[in-house]
Amino acid sequence: NAGVTQTPKFQVLKTGQSMTLQCAQDMNHEYMSWYRQDPGMGLRLIHYSVGAGITDQGEVPNGYNVSRSTTEDFPLRLLSAAPSQTSVYFCASRAGGYFGQFFGPGTRLTVL
Amino acid sequence: GENVEQHPSTLSVQEGDSAVIKCTYSDSASNYFPWYKQELGKRPQLIIDIRSNVGEKKDQRIAVTLNKTAKHFSLHITETQPEDSAVYFCAASKDSGTYKYIFGTGTRLKVLA
Repeated sequence: NAGVTQTPKFQVLKTGQSMTLQCAQDMNHEYMSWYRQDPGMGLRLIHYSVGAGITDQGEVPNGYNVSRSTTEDFPLRLLSAAPSQTSVYFCASRAGGYFGQFFGPGTRLTVL
Repeated sequence: GENVEQHPSTLSVQEGDSAVIKCTYSDSASNYFPWYKQELGKRPQLIIDIRSNVGEKKDQRIAVTLNKTAKHFSLHITETQPEDSAVYFCAASKDSGTYKYIFGTGTRLKVLA
């Protein structure tokens, strides 16, 4: 099993550009989520999904969109990048119930 | 709203000493409490977890305790080693519904040789 994979590993954008961060898992997990991690700020939830076709907002959703058309994939779209979105982005997945969450390797995004 | 407070934010200990990190959660319906370790430049990785029907769980040098009445849970690391140096995050979640994790803000542990 590859676990949780993310692409790209690094990305540099200009203000106003859009892009999609890809996330995929091969563990048949119901629950997937996106976090951003800024220095000293811990992990903040952007969006999450409890299954294909079901998504909801986390604590910092503004400027981001998600969709979940399949169990495996959960892409995060930046609509119009801003310097405040410079961060490390982690995707994670877990099974339902009493199970831990598995994180992808992260995407380091810089917005100039 | 739901919240998890984590203390201390930084912790330095001598190699061989014990380290304790404490978390307090606000949602009394939370019933699953994992701990994650994140080394510099790496992803967070699950190191231990506890369910609400258990008061304590051990795995070699690490242990987690839970006090449901006080809504506190703690991570204990004994005989610390330099490779324990990392950022540790606690989280609170439920086994049903949204399964959403609420993370603490992290503790940077430094083990001094």
